[in-house]
Amino acid sequence: DTGVSQDPRHKITKRGQNVTFRCDPISEHNRLYWYRQTLGQGPEFLTYFQNEAQLEKSRLLSDRFSAERPKGSFSTLEIQRTEQGDSAMYLCASSFGPPNTEAFFGQGTRLTVV
Amino acid sequence: AQSVTQPDIHITVSEGASLELRCNYSYGATPYLFWYVQSPGQGLQLLLKYFSGDTLVQGIKGFEAEFKRSQSSFNLRKPSVHWSDAAEYFCAVGARNNQGGKLIFGQGTELSVKP
Repeated sequence: DTGVSQDPRHKITKRGQNVTFRCDPISEHNRLYWYRQTLGQGPEFLTYFQNEAQLEKSRLLSDRFSAERPKGSFSTLEIQRTEQGDSAMYLCASSFGPPNTEAFFGQGTRLTVV
Repeated sequence: AQSVTQPDIHITVSEGASLELRCNYSYGATPYLFWYVQSPGQGLQLLLKYFSGDTLVQGIKGFEAEFKRSQSSFNLRKPSVHWSDAAEYFCAVGARNNQGGKLIFGQGTELSVKP
């Protein structure tokens, strides 16, 4: 198993454009999380899936953000009409089993909005 | 609201010296507690976790942490630091009553190691 994979690793986009990130969790992991990390800060929770169901969303997740996990495997995070404040590292993590078992993190997608 | 405080933004220690990174949390009950490490350009790796039982927990890479309920603290320690330990360290909490398992992270402590 290669771990949690995120694509792309880096994305530079112009303000107002839409971007989509992909996360491939460890196979058979039923839980998938998205976090956002800005410079000098710890990761902040965005949203969580159990299988294909999106069960929790943070207030940080504005209407411009949408996440899906259509078949309970990979997940996508889309940001519409990007703003400079969206520039951050977007981290995906997955875990298996009960809550608070170890979550394995991907290397992240670094988004820069210019 | 739950919160995690890591008072030290940046710490520098000499190689071979001991290390203690501080973490304090605010939560109504005893949460699940974690320490993660992040190297530049890498994702987060779990060092250790506390759920219940023995308040001194051992982790990978020679790290340990002690849960002190009276101080709402979960400090990370290592007796002898290696140059490869230079990285950013994050303390995190998870709520026992949250079935989703989301984590709340501190802002991190950057560790530099002097030769």
